[in-house]
Amino acid sequence: GDSVTQMEGPVTLSEEAFLTINCTYTATGYPSLFWYVQYPGEGLQLLLKATKADDKGSNKGFEATYRKETTSFHLEKGSVQVSDSAVYFCALSDLNAGNMLTFGGGTRLMVKP
Amino acid sequence: KAGVTQTPRYLIKTRGQQVTLSCSPISGHRSVSWYQQTPGQGLQFLFEYFSETQRNKGNFPGRFSGRQFSNSRSEMNVSTLELGDSALYLCASSPWDRGETQYFGPGTRLLVL
Repeated sequence: GDSVTQMEGPVTLSEEAFLTINCTYTATGYPSLFWYVQYPGEGLQLLLKATKADDKGSNKGFEATYRKETTSFHLEKGSVQVSDSAVYFCALSDLNAGNMLTFGGGTRLMVKP
Repeated sequence: KAGVTQTPRYLIKTRGQQVTLSCSPISGHRSVSWYQQTPGQGLQFLFEYFSETQRNKGNFPGRFSGRQFSNSRSEMNVSTLELGDSALYLCASSPWDRGETQYFGPGTRLLVL
């Protein structure tokens, strides 16, 4: 079945550092890929998405490119802020499975001033 | 537009009891999905409803059930609660078709004693 693997955390960075959170996936079809963010005590918020190979999703300074050849969707940000501290989830949605999202395990990011 | 709302936000039950959680999707959204989030298992898909029909179901025991009403609101029920059912239950809605972005509510935190 489909699966998503993302780097384990926590990831601890200083403010203004460069962020990369790795995400790779396994899918039988042509999935859509997502990054969601979860702040303490809240639900999930969509951060960005890409629906086909070579698409780049971007939002709030975060970017991720859908790489079919490496089955990856790594999240990057050039300069993190304390307010980016949260848990980040990579997910895929396979058109053959309706709207079911398959999630990675989540990566906790802590940004220190 | 108002976001996805879930009630109640917090719930404490004892083993053997049953519980019903409610989800109101974003206006106009017809698909509602439910997820369970625990520290050990992460985010796991429970089921998806579209136009009052269950379209997809995750790998959970029959104690977990759901339904969707004609106004797209959804409920999920857990019977004969077990300690391991303690979790954050998240509801997500999406507009129409497969593979569309899902928007999450804040979740219901269930504690089983």
